[in-house]
Amino acid sequence: GAGVSQSPSNKVTEKGKDVELRCDPISGHTALYWYRQSLGQGLEFLIYFQGNSAPDKSGLPSDRFSAERTGGSVSTLTIQRTQQEDSAVYLCASSLATGSYNEQFFGPGTRLTVL
Amino acid sequence: KNQVEQSPQSLIILEGKNCTLQCNYTVSPFSNLRWYKQDTGRGPVSLTIMTFSENTKSNGRYTATLDADTKQSSLHITASQLSDSASYICVVSGPYNNDMRFGAGTRLTVKP
Repeated sequence: GAGVSQSPSNKVTEKGKDVELRCDPISGHTALYWYRQSLGQGLEFLIYFQGNSAPDKSGLPSDRFSAERTGGSVSTLTIQRTQQEDSAVYLCASSLATGSYNEQFFGPGTRLTVL
Repeated sequence: KNQVEQSPQSLIILEGKNCTLQCNYTVSPFSNLRWYKQDTGRGPVSLTIMTFSENTKSNGRYTATLDADTKQSSLHITASQLSDSASYICVVSGPYNNDMRFGAGTRLTVKP
């Protein structure tokens, strides 16, 4: 595809359920990032991948959050036992390589609502 | 306290007018500063990037300035169009991988 895609675009779940969010990066991009954007707030870094490995997991808010990337391509962000404060837009971005000078291309996001 | 502060929080202007958005930061050491435009329901898109040695960078009707001494940047939009209505996000990066700090953004509304 031409850009970063994410699915689903919207997800409504009940408190306590697990959810999986998917990101398909631009082909050939080795770096992949996950962010969270709450209403009226700036982007909050969650985790990034260089290839299939995640050198920095420090942004994950709790151990209920995990992410993986397989084949250097698709990534999934999993939130277990969702809480209402997890409600936000989850954005994925990819870039040719890591390093802030490499432009990150963002997907449209997944809007998660936890009831 | 956020290391990247943007002002104003929101702004409404008439089509055809100019406007300037501000970004002040305390991030140190500094590597680069990027301005993003985020349309409603979309991911952010990069407008400009500036390093320490660059004072100004243009992208069409968008012109960004950087004063690394005072740690201030601005984004000037000339002859605004309805399609400029969006959030504009300032991102300041240090020299290390993924060392990025995001501002909360300025919400711009351009009215006819």
